[in-house]
Amino acid sequence: RKEVEQDPGPFNVPEGATVAFNCTYSNSASQSFFWYRQDCRKEPKLLMSVYSSGNEDGRFTAQLNRASQYISLLIRDSKLSDSATYLCVVNPPRMGDKLIFGTGTRLQVFP
Amino acid sequence: DTGVSQNPRHKITKRGQNVTFRCDPISEHNRLYWYRQTLGQGPEFLTYFQNEAQLEKSRLLSDRFSAERPKGSFSTLEIQRTEQGDSAMYLCASSFIQGAYEQYFGPGTRLTVT
Repeated sequence: RKEVEQDPGPFNVPEGATVAFNCTYSNSASQSFFWYRQDCRKEPKLLMSVYSSGNEDGRFTAQLNRASQYISLLIRDSKLSDSATYLCVVNPPRMGDKLIFGTGTRLQVFP
Repeated sequence: DTGVSQNPRHKITKRGQNVTFRCDPISEHNRLYWYRQTLGQGPEFLTYFQNEAQLEKSRLLSDRFSAERPKGSFSTLEIQRTEQGDSAMYLCASSFIQGAYEQYFGPGTRLTVT
């Protein structure tokens, strides 16, 4: 089983739609979780951290479900500029500071 | 620009040649990471440094790969006797010791081995 699994998509949604991505992780003792955004042929950029209580940043909401070992990202009122690949990232315990990335979920927002 | 920089941005080489990439981290960051990313995959960890000390190496890093960070500032990643399977994007990231998750990535070096 992969350490971090994501649906690769693509998710094709119209502007203004709400879209949600899920990601599952295998190590139940993992403590740190993040979403990174990666535009085509660009470097990954930290979008948001995922806290146990859930967190929101504008149109973006991240949630963590430890019991089911999954992380979600909700994007409301999608914009054309949200089109990108969203990478689910985990820092498992006893792995130092290295990040384990999922394969990414591709989002395409159309007019 | 005070972000992470990498050079070259693109490298095309023939199989069997050696290549070296350079990464300049954000100046006040003391941790530096190397990742590799192939098409359709997320970045995979290769190695990381705290100051000049190399603290961890992935099993992905074969004997043909070597990384250095001699003065705790910039880092180099060398691949000897390149193989076609080495073709990938090589990403460098840096962070403070605390808050390692806040890793800031450079634009990457795209390697093509022909």
